[in-house]
Amino acid sequence: NAGVTQTPKFRVLKTGQSMTLLCAQDMNHEYMYWYRQDPGMGLRLIHYSVGEGTTAKGEVPDGYNVSRLKKQNFLLGLESAAPSQTSVYFCASSYRGAILGDQPQHFGDGTRLSIL
Amino acid sequence: KNQVEQSPQSLIILEGKNCTLQCNYTVSPFSNLRWYKQDTGRGPVSLTIMTFSENTKSNGRYTATLDADTKQSSLHITASQLSDSASYICVVSLMEYGNKLVFGAGTILRVKS
Repeated sequence: NAGVTQTPKFRVLKTGQSMTLLCAQDMNHEYMYWYRQDPGMGLRLIHYSVGEGTTAKGEVPDGYNVSRLKKQNFLLGLESAAPSQTSVYFCASSYRGAILGDQPQHFGDGTRLSIL
Repeated sequence: KNQVEQSPQSLIILEGKNCTLQCNYTVSPFSNLRWYKQDTGRGPVSLTIMTFSENTKSNGRYTATLDADTKQSSLHITASQLSDSASYICVVSLMEYGNKLVFGAGTILRVKS
């Protein structure tokens, strides 16, 4: 049981390049999330999905796009990378749960992205 | 604005000693409060969860407390071990569709021998 798997683990891009970060979960979770983690700050939500075929904006969505074509996968795209997008990106997933907010989020081990 | 503030930012203690980490939050609507442990180079892992009606929860050497009136929580680590070296993150769940979370910046704990 792998849990949440993120690929790649590390990547260096040049300004203006594009790339896609992949997230896969094998727990049959309905909800999936993309966060970025920057030094001295809490994790910030970029986009999230409450089910296959659905996506929604989080706190810091500008410059990113997402897709969830299959329940187990959530893709994060950078259309034109900028140095301000240098960060560690985490994917997470959770069950919907019977009570709002009562299900834990399970995290991958992150993708470390540097934009030069 | 929903906020979670943690203190101290970092802490160094000797192996075997106890420590307490603090969390203050202003989040509404509040569902529950979790403490996560994040080892270097890894994703956060949930340690404890408390709803607004609970005021203490233990997980081995970790004990979390919650005061919903003052909106404060603490995480107490007993008899620290080198493996406790990590970032400890206070996280509040919003009682709304999507199970969204509000994260503190974390306290970096280093346990030295």
